[in-house]
Amino acid sequence: ILNVEQSPQSLHVQEGDSTNFTCSFPSSNFYALHWYRWETAKSPEALFVMTLNGDEKKKGRISATLNTKEGYSYLYIKGSQPEDSATYLCAPKKNNNNDMRFGAGTRLTVKP
Amino acid sequence: SQTIHQWPATLVQPVGSPLSLECTVEGTSNPNLYWYRQAAGRGLQLLFYSIGIDQISSEVPQNLSASRPQDRQFILSSKKLLLSDSGFYLCAWIPAGTGIYGYTFGSGTRLTVV
Repeated sequence: ILNVEQSPQSLHVQEGDSTNFTCSFPSSNFYALHWYRWETAKSPEALFVMTLNGDEKKKGRISATLNTKEGYSYLYIKGSQPEDSATYLCAPKKNNNNDMRFGAGTRLTVKP
Repeated sequence: SQTIHQWPATLVQPVGSPLSLECTVEGTSNPNLYWYRQAAGRGLQLLFYSIGIDQISSEVPQNLSASRPQDRQFILSSKKLLLSDSGFYLCAWIPAGTGIYGYTFGSGTRLTVV
């Protein structure tokens, strides 16, 4: 079972602020890392899949970086908007099986 | 293309009544299938997963059970619901074998036990 930690657990920012949060995971046998955006009572929406150390992915105002050697990924949101309010989940995969386990998530609230 | 269907979307059931939630996947063969739950104010909790017909693994002891009678059908059941079974249930699938693929989720079922 993968021990995935996300921090902070929750975050409140003002509209226009930039913010970031962390996903930590065991670096051994790393294969891929997935980020999801999840609004309560809806299906999680895939944001990024990252595989290589030093990977950077960007989608609009949201970007992510990956460090596989030390076992962490950062998700950044530039100029937060109220519609960015959601829980952001990360899920690493190991290279020896197809198992993915989610972190507890970071719950972001953007106040107008 | 692959699609995943989950139903019903919402359900209100009395305590002690049975439960059956169904999930089907189209456009793929031998997927890995998962049932997740979000209880109120909490994150996603993995309940069951299946790598093949009649192959079910349970992550946590609970009042629920799962079955996979066909390759692309995954059913979540209970004989007698408890108040604590209320929550948002998600079915998900991923292609079998190793790969960078992530989960594809169903649209979810909001279960309220009264």
